[in-house]
Amino acid sequence: DAMVIQNPRYQVTQFGKPVTLSCSQTLNHNVMYWYQQKSSQAPKLLFHYYDKDFNNEADTPDNFQSRRPNTSFCFLDIRSPGLGDAAMYLCATSRDYTTGGIEAFFGQGTRLTVV
Amino acid sequence: KQEVTQIPAALSVPEGENLVLNCSFTDSAIYNLQWFRQDPGKGLTSLLLIQSSQREQTSGRLNASLDKSSGRSTLYIAASQPGDSATYLCAVRYRTSGSRLTFGEGTQLTVNP
Repeated sequence: DAMVIQNPRYQVTQFGKPVTLSCSQTLNHNVMYWYQQKSSQAPKLLFHYYDKDFNNEADTPDNFQSRRPNTSFCFLDIRSPGLGDAAMYLCATSRDYTTGGIEAFFGQGTRLTVV
Repeated sequence: KQEVTQIPAALSVPEGENLVLNCSFTDSAIYNLQWFRQDPGKGLTSLLLIQSSQREQTSGRLNASLDKSSGRSTLYIAASQPGDSATYLCAVRYRTSGSRLTFGEGTQLTVNP
């Protein structure tokens, strides 16, 4: 049974047209993450939520925003997608990480194409 | 800078062969290390998680080892099958990075029938 669910699996958007990707989880985990993965590259962390606290990575462009209305759902908003934003977007969850050794669980990803 | 490196970038083997994938990291102060599998166009599937206090973990035909002092981990796959063909990613949770997983770029494995 899928525990981290991303929708849609494939998204095509026009250059400059706002787009939202969604992620839901059934694990009741405190932490939700968004990673960007470009072809043949390592996933790159964009930001994460620890409960309702938003933590942005220093090099994440302002074009990327996120919302977490409740424990189960998290959204990635791209305000004005450019061609360079075409990538696989991965959502992940984990329990409270302050104790250190916890496992991350990933969804199946959303492949974003910008035309 | 805390980095993760995976060698080789690609590997092609005949079916039935035992193989080893390598992962190295730059700081021994880690919480844990996690191995993932990624099929083309798909998300990440967790294979094995090794805590910093552990030396190895096993799941079926997979065995992962951890040597913090040398900054290395290996993923051993026994009796490889065509269904094992995928990209294998190593990710480290460094103690100074809190929540962040630092990924290697992966090893693309092809097992030929």
